[in-house]
Amino acid sequence: NAGVTQTPKFRILKIGQSMTLQCTQDMNHNYMYWYRQDPGMGLKLIYYSVGAGITDKGEVPNGYNVSRSTTEDFPLRLELAAPSQTSVYFCASTASGSFTYNEQFFGPGTRLTVL
Amino acid sequence: TQLLEQSPQFLSIQEGENLTVYCNSSSVFSSLQWYRQEPGEGPVLLVTVVTGGEVKKLKRLTFQFGDARKDSSLHITAAQPGDTGLYLCAGARSGGYQKVTFGTGTKLQVIP
Repeated sequence: NAGVTQTPKFRILKIGQSMTLQCTQDMNHNYMYWYRQDPGMGLKLIYYSVGAGITDKGEVPNGYNVSRSTTEDFPLRLELAAPSQTSVYFCASTASGSFTYNEQFFGPGTRLTVL
Repeated sequence: TQLLEQSPQFLSIQEGENLTVYCNSSSVFSSLQWYRQEPGEGPVLLVTVVTGGEVKKLKRLTFQFGDARKDSSLHITAAQPGDTGLYLCAGARSGGYQKVTFGTGTKLQVIP
C-alpha cells in the first residue's frame, strides 16, 4: 500500500495563477482532509470530506476549493494564488471521523510558494 | 478558536539527556494525540490519550494527559538522535477530526 500520496512535492506560483494539488489514498478511507502548515502555527484544517460527493469547510477555507468524485481522490484547487497561501499543504485520511479511535494518515506534503 | 500552546518551541540536547515537552490549553479536550513529524514528511501518530490523568508509555516516551484534560506532556528518557523531529499535540473537543486543534509544535534536535 502506498498510503496517502500527494503531487507535486514543490511548486512556485505567481500571484493570480491557479493550480490543483492532488491527493490520493489507497486505504479505502471515507474521510479525507486538507491542512496547511505555517511555521510556528501548527496545522490548520482547510476542507474535509466524509465520503465521495460530500465536502465541508474547515477553519481556513477562503481561497480554496475541493471536490470528491471518488473515494480515493481529494484534490485541492487554488484559483487566484496569493502570497498568504505560501505554506506546506498536507492531505490526510481516516477510516472514520472518530478522533479518539482512528489514526490519521498524512501524505508527504506539497511545499507551495507564491511570489 | 481553541489554542494549544506547546513549550518549549525549540529544544537542542545531547544524546542521553532527558526532556519534557508541554502542551497547554484553557479548553477541555475529550482526547488528545501526539505526533512526530520528520523534515519533508507528514506527521505520524505516536499516541492518543483519552482519560484525565492517563499515562501511556511507548518505549522511552511517556505521555500524560492532565487530570482536567486541558494539558498534556511528553517525556523522553535518554534521548537518541532518531528522536529528532517536530512534535505536535492535537486535541479534539467533540471527538471528530473536523474539530481538531493542533498545537504550535516543538522542534527537537538530539545531538550525537
